Amino acid sequence: AQKITQTQPGMFVQEKEAVTLDCTYDTSDPSYGLFWYKQPSSGEMIFLIYQGSYDQQNATEGRYSLNFQKARKSANLVISASQLGDSAMYFCAMREGQSFGNEKLTFGTGTRLTIIP
Amino acid sequence: DGGITQSPKYLFRKEGQNVTLSCEQNLNHDAMYWYRQDPGQGLRLIYYSQIVNDFQKGDIAEGYSVSREKKESFPLTVTSAQKNPTAFYLCASSPRGALGYGYTFGSGTRLTVV
Repeated sequence: AQKITQTQPGMFVQEKEAVTLDCTYDTSDPSYGLFWYKQPSSGEMIFLIYQGSYDQQNATEGRYSLNFQKARKSANLVISASQLGDSAMYFCAMREGQSFGNEKLTFGTGTRLTIIP
Repeated sequence: DGGITQSPKYLFRKEGQNVTLSCEQNLNHDAMYWYRQDPGQGLRLIYYSQIVNDFQKGDIAEGYSVSREKKESFPLTVTSAQKNPTAFYLCASSPRGALGYGYTFGSGTRLTVV
């Protein structure tokens, strides 16, 4: 079974609109972390935002926020006021457990976001 | 500035050849990782290492080998046993034990079989 599922292969959004990228996850570990990364066409991976399973509030970083719905196992990324520079691939990832030596990330298949001027 | 350097950026391999991808970091991170990226499949873990002289197989280790002789370096060898090596390869590192710390990635190596 997929641990991270991103159901939107591609999205087109008008500039300045808000956009939500979907991510659902599957784990039986009560302690886990969820990450979002951006990959521009150049290929590098850029860390955007992190949400811990015990965090009470949704994470926010500038124009990025994470809509964390623990009961639904959902961790959607919301980008407010989209810009042309937001056009990229976006990956959701999960780390399970807090034990030392368990830092592996499992990635979803990604969503290609295109911002239309 | 601290970071991860991958080289080369582009690499061409003939059928039956072994090639080695370089990954060097100066972040003093203990853990290092190799991922493979194919279109539509996201990132898949090849190998990872948490300390020097130790490494573990990831989900798709067949046809690959690694070494970790120094904390700063984690080279990946794509052997002739890897039947479909054309892909984008990403190296990453992280400090150990920090749940909220994501990876720092290199800029990647694009390998093409010719």
